[in-house]
Amino acid sequence: AQSVTQLDSQVPVFEEAPVELRCNYSSSVSVYLFWYVQYPNQGLQLLLKYLSGSTLVESINGFEAEFNKSQTSFHLRKPSVHISDTAEYFCAVGRNNAGNMLTFGGGTRLMVKP
Amino acid sequence: DTEVTQTPKHLVMGMTNKKSLKCEQHMGHRAMYWYKQKAKKPPELMFVYSYEKLSINESVPSRFSPECPNSSLLNLHLHALQPEDSALYLCASSQGASGGVYNEQFFGPGTRLTVL
Repeated sequence: AQSVTQLDSQVPVFEEAPVELRCNYSSSVSVYLFWYVQYPNQGLQLLLKYLSGSTLVESINGFEAEFNKSQTSFHLRKPSVHISDTAEYFCAVGRNNAGNMLTFGGGTRLMVKP
Repeated sequence: DTEVTQTPKHLVMGMTNKKSLKCEQHMGHRAMYWYKQKAKKPPELMFVYSYEKLSINESVPSRFSPECPNSSLLNLHLHALQPEDSALYLCASSQGASGGVYNEQFFGPGTRLTVL
């Protein structure tokens, strides 16, 4: 069985400050890791993903996440946030068994203040 | 075309109404999914279709009835819903849904459903 834990339900931060959103997972098989972002009243958008290869993955808008197998973590970081980054962020683990299912964490609300 | 589209964007219905949600993709994907998302919660999987056949039903009440008329289209028929069914309904698609390799899911923008 798999589970995903996002340790912080809300993260308030000032504009231009760095931020880290934490994600830990448990799985007995190979994992595929994702961060999705959901802006208010919108659907899910893929922010970045780890499928294989380099453990550090980056998005086009300055976010990065590092897959750490020993710590079973996939934390999301950004060195300098903008007001427009205010959104709900979901970490998810994909399974390659029948059903191709995603298991989501509970979400972290990032609130960027001016 | 790398989009998953969903219609309508918003839907308000009474408990005795019958309505349908529609999802479409033209990426040649052979797996499609319905999720339900309540406010401030993560999406919850409802159904998975693989090659137009229902492969997973996560114990969803029968008032929700999925249909996959062809590989590009996925419907969710709604009948006799309850106010607690009000939520954002998300559709997703992926290349496949079988074992061996994980296939990334692409999400649509969702239909916001309100049941009065």
